[in-house]
Amino acid sequence: QSVLTQPPSVSGAPGQRVSISCAGGRSNIGAGYDVFWYQHLPGSAPKLLVSGNNIRPSGVPDRFSVSKSGTSASLAITGLQTEDEADYFCQSYDSSLGRVFGTGTRVTVL
Amino acid sequence: QVRLEQSGAEVKKPGSSVKVSCKASGGNFMKYAITWVRQAPGEGFEWMGGINFLFGTAKYSQKFEDRVTISIDASTGTGHMELRSLRSDDTAMYHCATSLTVTGNDALETWGQGTMVTVSS
Repeated sequence: QSVLTQPPSVSGAPGQRVSISCAGGRSNIGAGYDVFWYQHLPGSAPKLLVSGNNIRPSGVPDRFSVSKSGTSASLAITGLQTEDEADYFCQSYDSSLGRVFGTGTRVTVL
Repeated sequence: QVRLEQSGAEVKKPGSSVKVSCKASGGNFMKYAITWVRQAPGEGFEWMGGINFLFGTAKYSQKFEDRVTISIDASTGTGHMELRSLRSDDTAMYHCATSLTVTGNDALETWGQGTMVTVSS
């Protein structure tokens, strides 16, 4: 039922770079709407991580960065750390549906 | 810094209703809207609707508009989401979150801890 598609899981060793894709369509990401990324630790409230123009709330390190091309967006985590192990999901806007979310990606630090 | 505190877990029978509360505190929460989303087990998040504190104007997702009512009590900084005619597939974690607009393309800046609603006979 999610409009935006993410890979179920990605993994990497500490210090490595991982990337999470968020695939949408012409009525959402492809229409130019901003994409936002969140980190969700089990049992905690989701936390806004970064906005589409790489604006990060206070306290979020610049190891997290975003990009967008066509109907897709990506979140990159560089210098992977053990505390980055969490679920990550994207959010955008759809001209017919309103706010839409990604399917979510579990990041595992090996 | 705005904080959101939600009401506790609920267990409901099919066909009944549930009302979840979300109390805002700290910061200038009156400038925000309260957005409601849910996440069923193993699924992604779904936007249900939202309301702004200043004008009390609610907007709903088409999927939920015939079963949900979102309201606000600006005097106490508390938002409410009532979902009616509950079904088993309404079993989910329900979150409130702040946003600058009710329905726009903006971020959900602060989230409540979530309220688990279980629908079971």
